[in-house]
Amino acid sequence: ILNVEQSPQSLHVQEGDSTNFTCSFPSSNFYALHWYRWETAKSPEALFVMTLNGDEKKKGRISATLNTKEGYSYLYIKGSQPEDSATYLCAPGGGATNKLIFGTGTLLAVQP
Amino acid sequence: NAGVTQTPKFQVLKTGQSMTLQCAQDMNHEYMSWYRQDPGMGLRLIHYSVGAGITDQGEVPNGYNVSRSTTEDFPLRLLSAAPSQTSVYFCASSYSGVGANYEQYFGPGTRLTVT
Repeated sequence: ILNVEQSPQSLHVQEGDSTNFTCSFPSSNFYALHWYRWETAKSPEALFVMTLNGDEKKKGRISATLNTKEGYSYLYIKGSQPEDSATYLCAPGGGATNKLIFGTGTLLAVQP
Repeated sequence: NAGVTQTPKFQVLKTGQSMTLQCAQDMNHEYMSWYRQDPGMGLRLIHYSVGAGITDQGEVPNGYNVSRSTTEDFPLRLLSAAPSQTSVYFCASSYSGVGANYEQYFGPGTRLTVT
């Protein structure tokens, strides 16, 4: 069982602030790192899937980086908006399937 | 495409009752999985399948059974419901293969209460 840690557990920011979260995972037997965005009363939706050390992905104001050697990934949100309020989950995957183990998430609340 | 569908949306059971949560997908995905979501615990993997006839246990399989007779369907059975199984259950699907690099698509969830 992978030990996946996300920090901080929750974050309250003002509209326009930039912020970042951390996902830590064991670096051995690593295959891919997923980030999901989960809005209240909805289902998780994929943001990024990263596989290579040094990978950087971007979608609008949200970007992510990956360090597989030291076992961490950062998610950045530039100029947070109220609609960014959600729980952000990371999940490393390993083995011969698409099996993922999720962290407990970072809850982001953006105040207008 | 309907994507991933789950039924029912809500269910209340008495302790000891059994029931089946349904999950179906129309994207021809090989991989399907069941998660439960509890406060402060995130998403925990119950069971998963990499194709028809192939299933395996996840992190918290006790008290649950699965089968995969078709590519499209992956039902989750609660054998004898317990209050500890009160949770929100999500089904997810994706393409499968070595590398775990396929995003998962989630269903809308089933909220289960066991009294």
